Amino acid sequence: EVQLVESGGGLVQPGGSLRLSCVASGYTFSSYGMSWVRQAPGKGLEWVSAIRAKDGRTYYADSVKGRFTISRDSSKNTLYLQMNSLRADDTAIYYCSKGGWGSVTDYWGQGTLVTVSS
Amino acid sequence: QAVVTQEPSMTVSPGGTVTLTCGSTSGAVTSGHSPYWFQQKPGQAPRTLIYDTSNKHSWTPARFSGSLLGDKAALTLSGAQPEDEADYYCLLFYSGTYAVFGGGTKLTVL
Repeated sequence: EVQLVESGGGLVQPGGSLRLSCVASGYTFSSYGMSWVRQAPGKGLEWVSAIRAKDGRTYYADSVKGRFTISRDSSKNTLYLQMNSLRADDTAIYYCSKGGWGSVTDYWGQGTLVTVSS
Repeated sequence: QAVVTQEPSMTVSPGGTVTLTCGSTSGAVTSGHSPYWFQQKPGQAPRTLIYDTSNKHSWTPARFSGSLLGDKAALTLSGAQPEDEADYYCLLFYSGTYAVFGGGTKLTVL
């Protein structure tokens, strides 16, 4: 059974940093791309970032480019999202999903809440 | 980055048929955009229904189908059930460099 479990969310001040993690199980993590998607309270889904499996190429939305970094550690079956220079409009539930460029998106985690506030 | 457009809300009668669409401000939606459709119910994570325009996952009910309709991607629900009441989002991939969700369609089964 495929499982994706996010962690690392919490309350952070504007300008601060946070690193999200997504631990994957139930499949060969290194063979599939992964993505981050967020959802601000009461709003729609926003695609944030993705990383390709075959070469680790990364992709970012303009809204986070230069501030967020996606990475993966296949030895730990873990996807990361390093978030720097956080702003109030980064407040959202952050979901990881299996899939993205070169891989079909199928499974989703339950999300982790990030709140940026002073 | 392009903007992806969806109907904000739609209503369908139980047992009825409804088509949701997904357009792009950058031009016609094609199979090259690898259109996806996701369903999200309140308090839940999204669930992938359709990928690459018309392909279904093992858990996708047969009453859902995806297609290209004119210059848009489309999600058709035939034989709506009360449990289909949810928000539906499309996702398009652009030039292999970024992806964009539509604003979502709130579907009411009434």
